[in-house]
Amino acid sequence: AQSVTQLDSQVPVFEEAPVELRCNYSSSVSVYLFWYVQYPNQGLQLLLKYLSGSTLVKGINGFEAEFNKSQTSFHLRKPSVHISDTAEYFCAVSEKTNAGKSTFGDGTTLTVKP
Amino acid sequence: NAGVTQTPKFRILKIGQSMTLQCAQDMNHNYMYWYRQDPGMGLKLIYYSVGAGITDKGEVPNGYNVSRSTTEDFPLRLELAAPSQTSVYFCASSREPNYEQYFGPGTRLTVT
Repeated sequence: AQSVTQLDSQVPVFEEAPVELRCNYSSSVSVYLFWYVQYPNQGLQLLLKYLSGSTLVKGINGFEAEFNKSQTSFHLRKPSVHISDTAEYFCAVSEKTNAGKSTFGDGTTLTVKP
Repeated sequence: NAGVTQTPKFRILKIGQSMTLQCAQDMNHNYMYWYRQDPGMGLKLIYYSVGAGITDKGEVPNGYNVSRSTTEDFPLRLELAAPSQTSVYFCASSREPNYEQYFGPGTRLTVT
């Protein structure tokens, strides 16, 4: 069994400030890790993913995340946010041996204020 | 490429009615998924499929059924709708080796 915990349900920040959205996961086997973004009244779209290799992964819109196996974390960061980054962000995990089955966190609402 | 399409976009059902939510993808993905998203919550996996003719239960399968007769289509059937099934339903697809999921725009279902 696997689980995902997003540690902050809401994160308010000012425009051009840095932001970190935290994600911890639990799994007894090796996993793939993902961050998705959901804009209002839309489906989810992929921001970035970790499958293997370098633990620092870069995604779209200037986001990056670092996989930390010892701490079982996959935190999402952006050095300078824009108003347009206001959205819901979801962390997800899939077991490598059963990648057809994904578990999502409850989401973090990022609100960027002017 | 249309990607993942879902119909209808909105639907209101009376308690006890049945309906089928349609999902289709044109990316030749072997994996397909159905999720529900309740307000303020993350996505809960209802059913998934790893290929035509193969389906398996997710976290919250009760009250739903699926079939996968072709690679492209993955309909979700609600039998005897209940108010607890009021939610937004998302269909998604993916393929090896990246497993990145592509989502449809969702179906907003209200059961009253």
